Amino acid sequence: KAGVTQTPRYLIKTRGQQVTLSCSPISGHRSVSWYQQTPGQGLQFLFEYFSETQRNKGNFPGRFSGRQFSNSRSEMNVSTLELGDSALYLCASSFAGVGREQYFGPGTRLTVT
Amino acid sequence: TQLLEQSPQFLSIQEGENLTVYCNSSSVFSSLQWYRQEPGEGPVLLVTVVTGGEVKKLKRLTFQFGDARKDSSLHITAAQPGDTGLYLCAGVYYNQGGKLIFGQGTELSVKP
Repeated sequence: KAGVTQTPRYLIKTRGQQVTLSCSPISGHRSVSWYQQTPGQGLQFLFEYFSETQRNKGNFPGRFSGRQFSNSRSEMNVSTLELGDSALYLCASSFAGVGREQYFGPGTRLTVT
Repeated sequence: TQLLEQSPQFLSIQEGENLTVYCNSSSVFSSLQWYRQEPGEGPVLLVTVVTGGEVKKLKRLTFQFGDARKDSSLHITAAQPGDTGLYLCAGVYYNQGGKLIFGQGTELSVKP
């Protein structure tokens, strides 16, 4: 069974730009969650999508948004990038949701200059 | 806001030594997960504990969930260099609607 894939793996953007990250979950998994990982703040929950609906949201500004498609693939968008948005963005898929076993992708390393 | 404290933050030991990592909260977890992350990769789930007092073993790793479901520990026996990595605990809280809250992580280095 193929694992969670994330594209791109690395990205360099300029402050003020926007970026879209993509996540393909494990086949059959309906839940996709997104996390931001930084050295200072650790791993922080962004949001969870389940069957195309946002089911839960972390404490991030509205510049961070996401969506999920009917095939469970998910995208995350960050608008008006700030230097502090530089981080490893991880996506995780699960059959039933975050309380159950989650499988993480390798992440997208975003650098904002 | 739930705060999940993980300790120690850094641990450097010799091969063959034992170690314990702790994960504590003032709130009750509905479940708790332990992950291991290597550089350049996403976290990999090691175990999920749900029942207070539960003990689970994974080879040389022993996971314990506190009776009150507010704390957990990970004990590694006879650590090996391959155990090196970032160990993360993550809790799901009853009143957080299913959000997964991560501890800051324990950076473990096992020297041969």
